Order: sequence, then structure tokens, then C-alpha cells
Amino acid sequence: EAGVTQSPTHLIKTRGQQATLRCSPISGHTSVYWYQQALGLGLQFLLWYDEGEERNRGNFPPRFSGRQFPNYSSELNVNALELEDSALYLCASSPGSTGGETQYFGPGTRLLVL
Amino acid sequence: SQQGEEDPQALSIQEGENATMNCSYKTSINNLQWYRQNSGRGLVHLILIRSNEREKHSGRLRVTLDTSKKSSSLLITASRAADTASYFCATDDDNAGNMLTFGGGTRLMVKP
Repeated sequence: EAGVTQSPTHLIKTRGQQATLRCSPISGHTSVYWYQQALGLGLQFLLWYDEGEERNRGNFPPRFSGRQFPNYSSELNVNALELEDSALYLCASSPGSTGGETQYFGPGTRLLVL
Repeated sequence: SQQGEEDPQALSIQEGENATMNCSYKTSINNLQWYRQNSGRGLVHLILIRSNEREKHSGRLRVTLDTSKKSSSLLITASRAADTASYFCATDDDNAGNMLTFGGGTRLMVKP
């Protein structure tokens, strides 16, 4: 069974541009989560999508947004990129929306903002 | 924000020795999970322990949970060089809407 996949693996942008990151969950999983791992800040929760709806949002500005498609894949969009957005962005999926489930992570997209 | 602290921040041992990592957290939780991360790549899920469990085993891994002290430990027995990685605990809080809150991680180096 294929795990969570993310694309691209690396992304280089300049300040002010927009970045789009993509995630495909494990087959059968309906919930997708996004986390940011920035140097010195650790792993922080960004967004949770389930059944096409945004269910929870972390403490990030509105220029971080996303969506979930009918096939449960997801996009994370970061507008007006800032230097401090440089980080590893991790996507995870779980079977459903019930709390307490294991979240399975993808390999991440490393975003570098110049 | 991060839930709690992991201790130690870094640990260096010889192959064959045991490695123990500790995690403390602050709120009431549904469960606590341990993950491994190799060289800034994705997280690999190791084990999940629910709030009503005290101990869990998986292969060479042993996890304990003390909800009264809000702490957990991960023991890796008979360590191997391939265990070299960063280890994170993550809590699923009662009212956090499926959000995992991670500790700062322990960097483990196992020398051959």
C-alpha cells in the first residue's frame, strides 16, 4: 500500500511569490493534515481537512491556505512568501476524523524562500 | 506552540546499548505518539499509546505513559546504528481538534 506522497520534494521561490504544495493521502484516508517544521521552531500544526472541509487551523496568518479535493488529495498554498516561510512542510493523513487516530506522514516538501 | 519538552535534547550511545528518551506535556490528552525522523525527512510513526494505557511494546521499543505526571518515555533496546535519528513525541489533546502537538525532539546518535 502506497504511503502519503508529496510534491514537489524541493521548491525554491523568491520573497513575495506564491507557493503551492501538494499531498496525496493513503488510499482510504479522508483526513489530511499540514505541518510546518521550521528551523528553531519545531513542528507546528497548520491545517486539517476532512471530507473537503477545513476542520481546524493552527496559529498561522491567512496567507497560508489550502483545500481538499473530492479524491481527498490536498493543496497547501502560501501567498506573499516571506523569508521565514522557509521550512519543511509535512503532510499527514488518517483514516477519518475521529480523534485519537494515528497520523501517517509523507516525506515532506522543502521550501526555500530567497 | 509546542506541548512540552523532550529530554535529553541529544543522546550519543554505542551500538548495543539502550536509549531512553523522555517527553513531558501540559494538557489532558487522548493519546501520545512517538515518531522518528531521519535527516530532515518525513516522520515515521513508531507507536501510539492511549491515555488509559500505561505501557506498550513494539519490537525493540517500549513506551510508558504516566498521565498523573504528564510524561512518557521511549526505550529503544539493543540499539543499532540505523536507529540514529531524531525522535519526537506528539500529543493528541482532548480539545485540540485532531491537531498533534510535538515536543522539541531528541537527537539520537548510535555509534557502531
